[in-house]
Amino acid sequence: AQKITQTQPGMFVQEKEAVTLDCTYDTSDPSYGLFWYKQPSSGEMIFLIYQGSYDQQNATEGRYSLNFQKARKSANLVISASQLGDSAMYFCAMREGVTGRRALTFGSGTRLQVQP
Amino acid sequence: GAGVSQSPSNKVTEKGKDVELRCDPISGHTALYWYRQSLGQGLEFLIYFQGNSAPDKSGLPSDRFSAERTGGSVSTLTIQRTQQEDSAVYLCASSLNEGYEQYFGPGTRLTVT
Repeated sequence: AQKITQTQPGMFVQEKEAVTLDCTYDTSDPSYGLFWYKQPSSGEMIFLIYQGSYDQQNATEGRYSLNFQKARKSANLVISASQLGDSAMYFCAMREGVTGRRALTFGSGTRLQVQP
Repeated sequence: GAGVSQSPSNKVTEKGKDVELRCDPISGHTALYWYRQSLGQGLEFLIYFQGNSAPDKSGLPSDRFSAERTGGSVSTLTIQRTQQEDSAVYLCASSLNEGYEQYFGPGTRLTVT
């Protein structure tokens, strides 16, 4: 089974609107962390936001927020007020803390295009 | 401050040759990771170093791949007898400690002809 599933290969959003990028995960590890990374066309992976499995509140970082629904095993990324510079690939990733691998397992990514 | 650096940025090699890819992590980061990104396979974990612990090599695709980390800092990923399917972008990342967010380098694009 896929550990991380991103079901949206591509998304379009109008500038200044909000967009949600979906991510579901699969683990039996009680302790895990969920990460979102942005990869612009330049290729570098940029860390955006982190959510720990025991965190009570959804993570937020500026225009980025993570809609964490533990029972549904989803960790969707919400980008508010989209900007042209947000056009990039976005990857959801998971690190399993106890029984699993400590490195990141990535989803297949979502390509976001922000339109003026 | 300085981020993760990788060299070379691009490497073209002939099938059957050995290659070495270098990673300089962020100073003070104890954890170092190698990943591979290719069109068909997405982002794959290769190997992980944490402090003085034995590395997690479970992601290495074959025994042609090896890596070492000297002095808890610089790491070298070596691919012996390269094959065309080894063509990919090799990404290195480091984190303050395991469990923290990982910061990635710009990658080395390897092309095997």
